[in-house]
Amino acid sequence: EAQVTQNPRYLITVTGKKLTVTCSQNMNHEYMSWYRQDPGLGLRQIYYSMNVEVTDKGDVPEGYKVSRKEKRNFPLILESPSPNQTSLYFCASRDRVGNQPQHFGDGTRLSIL
Amino acid sequence: ILNVEQSPQSLHVQEGDSTNFTCSFPSSNFYALHWYRWETAKSPEALFVMTLNGDEKKKGRISATLNTKEGYSYLYIKGSQPEDSATYLCAFDNDMRFGAGTRLTVKP
Repeated sequence: EAQVTQNPRYLITVTGKKLTVTCSQNMNHEYMSWYRQDPGLGLRQIYYSMNVEVTDKGDVPEGYKVSRKEKRNFPLILESPSPNQTSLYFCASRDRVGNQPQHFGDGTRLSIL
Repeated sequence: ILNVEQSPQSLHVQEGDSTNFTCSFPSSNFYALHWYRWETAKSPEALFVMTLNGDEKKKGRISATLNTKEGYSYLYIKGSQPEDSATYLCAFDNDMRFGAGTRLTVKP
């Protein structure tokens, strides 16, 4: 089954404790991206990756890092999480050929205390 | 930064009503516009990819039109049902930047 898998689905943690949200897709997609969703603000792009070892900042990259060492994986790293990073996070991937839509993971709800 | 705007922000209709909402986007360097449907506690699902000026696409009771020259797309729902309640998002293909969405609530 074609899917984008995020882990964990839920996490409550404390300020300053490094965390990583993993994202993996099995569709051989070149393009992957991370979004955060906050009430009234829709989906805001954090980082995206056009291919392995190619990553770019989205609209709200501050406080986040990403890496793309393999095509299937695109982890989101919060080196020193802060309460303003409490949010719902989505990973997505798409085939870059032919204006294809994005496939989204199930989301990760992070609470930073 | 290319802004994608959606209106209205929220909409409440009665079951059976038809409704529509708007996505506006920069008209220059257009590649495609995506519509997604996002139900609470689920992930966004693709509805349509609109690519050509004058495009009209349909899936059941939901349809969408595209005007690339003036930079807008309309999403229509005919005979709304409670199960249509969701947030409808559009995204500009150039950078996959999303609008804030229109939250539709259909009352039985």
